Amino acid sequence: KNEVEQSPQNLTAQEGEFITINCSYSVGISALHWLQQHPGGGIVSLFMLSSGKKKHGRLIATINIQEKHSSLHITASHPRDSAVYICAVVSYNTDKLIFGTGTRLQVFP
Amino acid sequence: DAGITQSPRHKVTETGTPVTLRCHQTENHRYMYWYRQDPGHGLRLIHYSYGVKDTDKGEVSDGYSVSRSKTEDFLLTLESATSSQTSVYFCAISESYRTGANVLTFGAGSRLTVL
Repeated sequence: KNEVEQSPQNLTAQEGEFITINCSYSVGISALHWLQQHPGGGIVSLFMLSSGKKKHGRLIATINIQEKHSSLHITASHPRDSAVYICAVVSYNTDKLIFGTGTRLQVFP
Repeated sequence: DAGITQSPRHKVTETGTPVTLRCHQTENHRYMYWYRQDPGHGLRLIHYSYGVKDTDKGEVSDGYSVSRSKTEDFLLTLESATSSQTSVYFCAISESYRTGANVLTFGAGSRLTVL
């Protein structure tokens, strides 16, 4: 079993919909990252968080350390949000990143 | 993106040939990393560097070597490429090793195909 699991693996939405991507992990962590990867493109860091909630524009990331779970929300989704969203946790023991396999989001007009 | 560049961006080579991928940064960050990305897997760490001439292995280091002779350059070498090394390779940089406290900046990726 992967130490970091994301769901769903694939997600399609209509423009304007509210999107939620989930990340569950099984190791002790010191922080969690959300990353975005556009098709054929590089990887961009969206959030780094260790507790609570962070917001940037239409994106909101939350984390529940006790439940070992994080969510990435996109409000008023837009076709330009189409990308792969990757969750990565920082292992408390090794201080190394463990990556999920990503959630592929497609937003249609 | 500004700050970190990878070259080449695309390469096709034959089994058994040596390949070197270059990562160049202008941020003067101490830490540099090489990851590979494959379908069905999360990004996996190949090697990382914590300073000039200071490198260490990641979880999938077999078949790869690295060198860092200058702060700004981190080279990944496949001494004898195999088809299993067909992948997209990402370089990343960070100000410190504590990735829990620092954001990673990634390069655009290098797509390597080994025939």
